[in-house]
This record gives sequence, C-alpha cells and structure tokens, in this order.
Amino acid sequence: AQSVAQPEDQVNVAEGNPLTVKCTYSVSGNPYLFWYVQYPNRGLQFLLKYITGDNLVKGSYGFEAEFNKSQTSFHLKKPSALVSDSALYFCAVSGNNAGNMLTFGGGTRLMVKP
Amino acid sequence: DTAVSQTPKYLVTQMGNDKSIKCEQNLGHDTMYWYKQDSKKFLKIMFSYNNKELIINETVPNRFSPKSPDKAHLNLHINSLELGDSAVYFCASSQQRGRNQPQHFGDGTRLSIL
Repeated sequence: AQSVAQPEDQVNVAEGNPLTVKCTYSVSGNPYLFWYVQYPNRGLQFLLKYITGDNLVKGSYGFEAEFNKSQTSFHLKKPSALVSDSALYFCAVSGNNAGNMLTFGGGTRLMVKP
Repeated sequence: DTAVSQTPKYLVTQMGNDKSIKCEQNLGHDTMYWYKQDSKKFLKIMFSYNNKELIINETVPNRFSPKSPDKAHLNLHINSLELGDSAVYFCASSQQRGRNQPQHFGDGTRLSIL
C-alpha cells in the first residue's frame, strides 16, 4: 500500500524568509509525486510534479520541490515567502494501484506573517 | 469558464435522505474522480471513472454511487445519508488515467447532515 506523511500540521514563517514544507512517501516501484495547494473554500490547485529526471522540480508561483530517493522525501520549498502563500498544502503520490489513484498526505497549513 | 464545476456548493439535509451532487468538466478530460475531505482536512479518493471503467476505493460504502451520462459529467448519488457522511466532496478530472497526469479540482460541495 502506498502512503504519504506530512509531519508538520502547521509551518510558520516570516514574509521574505525561505520556507520548507516536508513530505515523505512510501510506494512500491517508482513514485510519481505531486504538490497541491488549497485556499479557503476552494478546491486543490496543482503546483508541481516529479515524474523522472532532475531531482529539483520547479512549479507555479515560485515553488520548487526536491526529490530525494534515498530519504523517500519530496519537500516543497520557496526561497522567499509571501503572505499570499498562506494556505493548506498537500503532498500526494501515485503508485501502481488500480486506477493509478492518488494518495494524499494529511496536509500542512502554511502561515506566512508580515 | 470554470474548468470543473460542482453543484450545489452547499447541501444541508436530514439523515436517511437520498441526495445527488453534480460535476461537469469542460477540459475535454478522459478521467474523472470523486474525493471526500473530512473535518480534519484529510482527503480520500472515492472513485476513479474512465471511459466507462469504474475503479472504486474498497472502503467506500455502497450507498455511494457515481453515474456518468457522458465523458464531461460524473455525478455522485448518495442513498440513506448518515451523520458520518458530513464532509466536503470534491470532483476532479485529468487528461488520462495516467500516473503522471495532474488533476484539476472543483471547488467542492459542503454536505451537512442534520
């Protein structure tokens, strides 16, 4: 069975500082990894994905994520946080299950303070 | 020009009733999904539907049934509603049922059971 862990319920960071939202995964075979963001009363929005190739993946709104196979991690990063980045962030993995369905982590709330 | 739209946005009803949630996507995608997000924001896949092939998460009660009149629509029917069904239900779509395809989400339907 595949699983995703986001160890932090909430991450607090000051505007302008770098941010990291952590994610570790467990899946049989090669992982396909995703980050999504959810703003209040909205659906999830796709940020970026790792399929293969370069371990550093760049996505929307200046976000990037680093794939680390040995640590089975896919941490989300941004060099300089904005107040508008405050939202709920979900990491997800797609493995070799029927229907290639996504398994999501429990989510991490990012709070960026001015 | 909403990509994935769900109706209604809010649904309040009594225990034991039967209700439906509609979902439409105008992205030309082949695969549609239903997710349940509980009060702790945990997101769980319920169904994946592609070209008349339905993949069901085994933990979903058979009171829940998706119905697809055409490729652009995947409606969710729920019979004999229970208190534990209270949640936000999200519809999503992707271009193919491929492991590398990002999903596009609607804004959710908040279901409250009295």
